[in-house]
Amino acid sequence: QQQVKQSPQSLIVQKGGISIINCAYENTAFDYFPWYQQFPGKGPALLIAIRPDVSEKKEGRFTISFNKSAKQFSLHIMDSQPGDSATYFCAASVGNNRKLIWGLGTSLAVNP
Amino acid sequence: NAGVTQTPKFQVLKTGQSMTLQCAQDMNHNSMYWYRQDPGMGLRLIYYSASEGTTDKGEVPNGYNVSRLNKREFSLRLESAAPSQTSVYFCASRAPDSAFNEQFFGPGTRLTVL
Repeated sequence: QQQVKQSPQSLIVQKGGISIINCAYENTAFDYFPWYQQFPGKGPALLIAIRPDVSEKKEGRFTISFNKSAKQFSLHIMDSQPGDSATYFCAASVGNNRKLIWGLGTSLAVNP
Repeated sequence: NAGVTQTPKFQVLKTGQSMTLQCAQDMNHNSMYWYRQDPGMGLRLIYYSASEGTTDKGEVPNGYNVSRLNKREFSLRLESAAPSQTSVYFCASRAPDSAFNEQFFGPGTRLTVL
């Protein structure tokens, strides 16, 4: 049973456009929601993370929007660049639990 | 700091052969993890270790064993490799007091079982 559902599976965006990736969860005990970025041939790396006490977090061109009542969170990439082409994973965890529950990933391609 | 290192980078095995994937981290992290990544399946946790001397099963532990040799090293062993174990394997570690639960990943091992 997939506890964190991620969509879309793949996404193609033109350079300068906005990329939006969505995740939904069921477990209301989740209190930490990170996004990881993975380039081909590399391991994932933390991109940005949010806790449910805020509705939005922005770091440069990357923004997480969090909707606690809908149990959804999303990653927005503004002014998307070809260098943003990668696979993006959302995840969630509870408290100090050392395990992350992962979405299945979104392959993003930004056309020049 | 090298971060998380994994060896080997690539490996081809025949069905039934055994091998050990090595992982080491130099960040003084307590928690370490082994994942496998398959197309369309995301990252699936095989085993994890909360601290030296402890290990616990993850989502897909069958066919694997692990050893937390010391704080730095966490190895994954395939006793009798099967084609279903063809995958990319990632090791990760987590800081002891990480406010953001951040996991640091190694570069991965690409394993093919024929």
